[in-house]
Amino acid sequence: AQSVTQLGSHVSVSEGALVLLRCNYSSSVPPYLFWYVQYPNQGLQLLLKYTSAATLVKGINGFEAEFKKSETSFHLTKPSAHMSDAAEYFCAVISDSNYQLIWGAGTKLIIKP
Amino acid sequence: SQTIHQWPATLVQPVGSPLSLECTVEGTSNPNLYWYRQAAGRGLQLLFYSVGIGQISSEVPQNLSASRPQDRQFILSSKKLLLSDSGFYLCAWSVPAGVIDTQYFGPGTRLTVL
Repeated sequence: AQSVTQLGSHVSVSEGALVLLRCNYSSSVPPYLFWYVQYPNQGLQLLLKYTSAATLVKGINGFEAEFKKSETSFHLTKPSAHMSDAAEYFCAVISDSNYQLIWGAGTKLIIKP
Repeated sequence: SQTIHQWPATLVQPVGSPLSLECTVEGTSNPNLYWYRQAAGRGLQLLFYSVGIGQISSEVPQNLSASRPQDRQFILSSKKLLLSDSGFYLCAWSVPAGVIDTQYFGPGTRLTVL
């Protein structure tokens, strides 16, 4: 069965430091992958998506993600963290059986001043 | 542009009481609609999705039901709430696009069952 694994339920970085949030997926077909962000007590906002075009995908708020087929990964990065990046981040893949989203458990990003 | 509304924003209900949460989408026609639940500290669980009026698919057996009485209206209901129904309920919509449906989320409803 397909799955999405996000390593680390909590990630803490200093303001100005590199942000790296990890996402690994399993899929028997070329995957379609998404990253969403959720601020406290709000809905989810789409950050970026991979749809088999360029392997490096740029999103909103300075985030980008690189699709690596050999590693079955779609890690999210940002060169310099801001306090406003503190939120929970979810990775998801479209199921190849029913086309619904399969979600990772989420990673809470904590920014230290 | 498209917008999605959910209400109420927060709700506190006693065990055994009924529930009705509403979601409406503006600026698009014939969207796919979704209800998710987020329990505290956990990820998203798809509850229901709908591809058209009166067409509801349930992903997990539960104490809840969904209805789509109009094209852009999606309602989540329960006849008798359980403590385990507490959580953050999210409605989402997408434009049917074959395999790659990008989902857009509403602001959510925080439900506490006491």
